Amino acid sequence: QKEVEQNSGPLSVPEGAIASLNCTYSDRGSQSFFWYRQYSGKSPELIMSIYSNGDKEDGRFTAQLNKASQYVSLLIRDSQPSDSATYLCAVKEDTGRRALTFGSGTRLQVQP
Amino acid sequence: SAVISQKPSRDICQRGTSLTIQCQVDSQVTMMFWYRQQPGQSLTLIATANQGSEATYESGFVIDKFPISRPNLTFSTLTVSNMSPEDSSIYLCSVVVGKETQYFGPGTRLLVL
Repeated sequence: QKEVEQNSGPLSVPEGAIASLNCTYSDRGSQSFFWYRQYSGKSPELIMSIYSNGDKEDGRFTAQLNKASQYVSLLIRDSQPSDSATYLCAVKEDTGRRALTFGSGTRLQVQP
Repeated sequence: SAVISQKPSRDICQRGTSLTIQCQVDSQVTMMFWYRQQPGQSLTLIATANQGSEATYESGFVIDKFPISRPNLTFSTLTVSNMSPEDSSIYLCSVVVGKETQYFGPGTRLLVL
């Protein structure tokens, strides 16, 4: 099984700032990438998916993918205290394995 | 997406006993998975629940410890057998909707004493 790496954090940002969450993956053949948000005591909730190089925007969230660098990121603009959660990066590897491979998650704290 | 329910939502069990967790989906899905999330850790895939055949287990997980049933395309069970405190975890059911997007159930929080 290949790896998905994330900085565990916590990443602390002030309210209104941009939070930048990063993820690297080892399987060069991976084609599909996902960001999940997990509040404490809750199950993961899908935020965004991205499949092509470049940026994909959805409201305050922007996912960025660079397949050459094997790097995917999530930007959260105008961060709110309600964004405080653990953000999980997930990758669909090109191994025939149907389940996603998850990173260990980055804990984000938005300070009011 | 899909609406996924799990029962029980939480339980406290004694060492050596077994617990069966149910996962129900509101629509037929081809792919269904069981994950474990230990305290402070990320998600670890236990197995793929296959409809009509034996589950496919990941390295480190065996059928005797985690028997899985999947009688149809909307339902699956995971049993945690002969439990020890190390099995204390959140157990999550997940399904694939569409091409490959995974959605998670609310989870079952298990504490083994």
